[in-house]
Amino acid sequence: DAKTTQPDSMESTEGETVHLPCSHATISGNEYIYWYRQVPLQGPEYVTHGLQQNTTNSMAFLAIASDRKSSTLILTHVSLRDAAVYHCILRVDIASSSFSKLVFGQGTSLSVVP
Amino acid sequence: EAAVTQSPRNKVAVTGGKVTLSCNQTNNHNNMYWYRQDTGHGLRLIHYSYGAGSTEKGDIPDGYKASRPSQENFSLILELATPSQTSVYFCASRDRGRDTQYFGPGTRLLVL
Repeated sequence: DAKTTQPDSMESTEGETVHLPCSHATISGNEYIYWYRQVPLQGPEYVTHGLQQNTTNSMAFLAIASDRKSSTLILTHVSLRDAAVYHCILRVDIASSSFSKLVFGQGTSLSVVP
Repeated sequence: EAAVTQSPRNKVAVTGGKVTLSCNQTNNHNNMYWYRQDTGHGLRLIHYSYGAGSTEKGDIPDGYKASRPSQENFSLILELATPSQTSVYFCASRDRGRDTQYFGPGTRLLVL
């Protein structure tokens, strides 16, 4: 079962900043928060991830709530190329192993208009 | 940038037939994964592998087998394909240093 909840869709205008919310109310202390994005006919592409502290890279800023029950992916100066499904995912440890897996939810479909 | 390739990209199979989906990565990653993606379910884990010679069951392994003959190759096998296995299948490899999975472009399978 998915452990994250996201809005089905959001819309933004080119050049704006968009905030993509994600709720993960049952997150455990060692579970990382990952964001991937996916365009049609392609596999998911890594965006960013974090555990507790906010993180930033060339693609996005990830803001994690202090209680870790929610996070927000912030995209600045969005362009048409940023239109995609954005997946908020938890990395979950597999019991009795050193392996971990990504547990996907439904994702948010972001559309960008000129 | 990590590269994961999949073949075929599209496949039509008949019910009861055998289907093999192939995945190749040249990044020397130990860990590899097979997922399927269906509308309303996101991506779900079918099988994964620690390295050459190992395969493990994921969350939805029924009806699927996996094979990891080498570090580079990881196959998903449907011995007796059924229409319920119509889906898009993604392979991924994991860079443990960056703790990041890299996905292939997907294989679209239609079972008639």
